[in-house]
Amino acid sequence: AQSVSQHNHHVILSEAASLELGCNYSYGGTVNLFWYVQYPGQHLQLLLKYFSGDPLVKGIKGFEAEFIKSKFSFNLRKPSVQWSDTAEYFCAVVLTGGGNKLTFGTGTQLKVEL
Amino acid sequence: GAGVSQSPRYKVAKRGQDVALRCDPISGHVSLFWYQQALGQGPEFLTYFQNEAQLDKSGLPSDRFFAERPEGSVSTLKIQRTQQEDSAVYLCASSPGGGNYGYTFGSGTRLTVV
Repeated sequence: AQSVSQHNHHVILSEAASLELGCNYSYGGTVNLFWYVQYPGQHLQLLLKYFSGDPLVKGIKGFEAEFIKSKFSFNLRKPSVQWSDTAEYFCAVVLTGGGNKLTFGTGTQLKVEL
Repeated sequence: GAGVSQSPRYKVAKRGQDVALRCDPISGHVSLFWYQQALGQGPEFLTYFQNEAQLDKSGLPSDRFFAERPEGSVSTLKIQRTQQEDSAVYLCASSPGGGNYGYTFGSGTRLTVV
């Protein structure tokens, strides 16, 4: 069964610091990859997604992620975080042509301090 | 509607009680998914509908869990004889096609079984 690993469960950064959140998945087939964000008290929102093409994907609010197939990774990055980025971040994968269910990682809680 | 609507937002049930959780997807969205999110975990897939057909119910944890979408729009997740381990946030998501298109999530129903 496919699985998604997020290595950092809690991250604390100061404003303007750079961010990189790790995500690895276990399945060797063709996958679509997603990052979702959940702000305090709000529902899950899509940050960005990768289906095919350029492995560097840009999303909302200055986030980007790079798909490295050889490493089964899809790390999320942001050059300079803001206090408003404090949230929980989830990486997720769906198998193309293999059903429609998203498999999520356990999430990374990001806290940005002023 | 503009988003996915779930009700109630909060539900406290006594152990052994039956509960019903409602999801109103985005109008016209063919696909509907239910997820369970335990505290500190990522969402776990429960079941998937395409229109009124339940195509995947492999994630339902026991036969106490039952979901339906009789007219291909509103869906209800029913949990019979609730147990403490059922305490979680239940998320509904909808998609215009399969999960490969990404999902729009509702705010969830937080179920607490006492």
